[in-house]
Amino acid sequence: GQQLNQSPQSMFIQEGEDVSMNCTSSSIFNTWLWYKQEPGEGPVLLIALYKAGELTSNGRLTAQFGITRKDSFLNISASIPSDVGIYFCAGQRGYQKVTFGTGTKLQVIP
Amino acid sequence: NAGVTQTPKFQVLKTGQSMTLQCAQDMNHEYMSWYRQDPGMGLRLIHYSVGAGITDQGEVPNGYNVSRSTTEDFPLRLLSAAPSQTSVYFCASSYGRPIMNTEAFFGQGTRLTVV
Repeated sequence: GQQLNQSPQSMFIQEGEDVSMNCTSSSIFNTWLWYKQEPGEGPVLLIALYKAGELTSNGRLTAQFGITRKDSFLNISASIPSDVGIYFCAGQRGYQKVTFGTGTKLQVIP
Repeated sequence: NAGVTQTPKFQVLKTGQSMTLQCAQDMNHEYMSWYRQDPGMGLRLIHYSVGAGITDQGEVPNGYNVSRSTTEDFPLRLLSAAPSQTSVYFCASSYGRPIMNTEAFFGQGTRLTVV
């Protein structure tokens, strides 16, 4: 099936640092979504992007819909311990099923 | 408003046993889906439904059945459990309009082990 490549796979950062992660695809998507999953929980939607070039913020989180429509980026500013979790990107084309990336595991060192 | 509720949270099955994973949502969402999550694989779609009475296969449907008799419920049945079905299963729902399955709400997951 279709694959979304997320990088990095995992990262350890110091509290207060900024974080960047990205998601790339060989196919064009009309919608990009970013989810966060905490241990023992289901994913929770952070940001949804519907237009190429769109830049959307949710508190300390900022996500962008790449101009080529084949990639998306998520930045977290001034990380805090509760940012720990797995971040998933997801893409959708038209009315087709959503495809999820393999996740970026974030750990924050206090 | 409970959102998406999955039961049970944990389950151990013997190879060959059958069971049903329950999923219910109280948001009147049209679109519901089941995913499995395995290490390093992300979330893979098993089956989905765009409304009561309508279901379709996802990426990894083999070994699983679903039905959608009501808007609220979308159970997932394992007919004859195999060790390869050991995974964490998530149910999700969304409005379905204007774009199917955007902004999905997920349940807490069912952790299934098949021995």
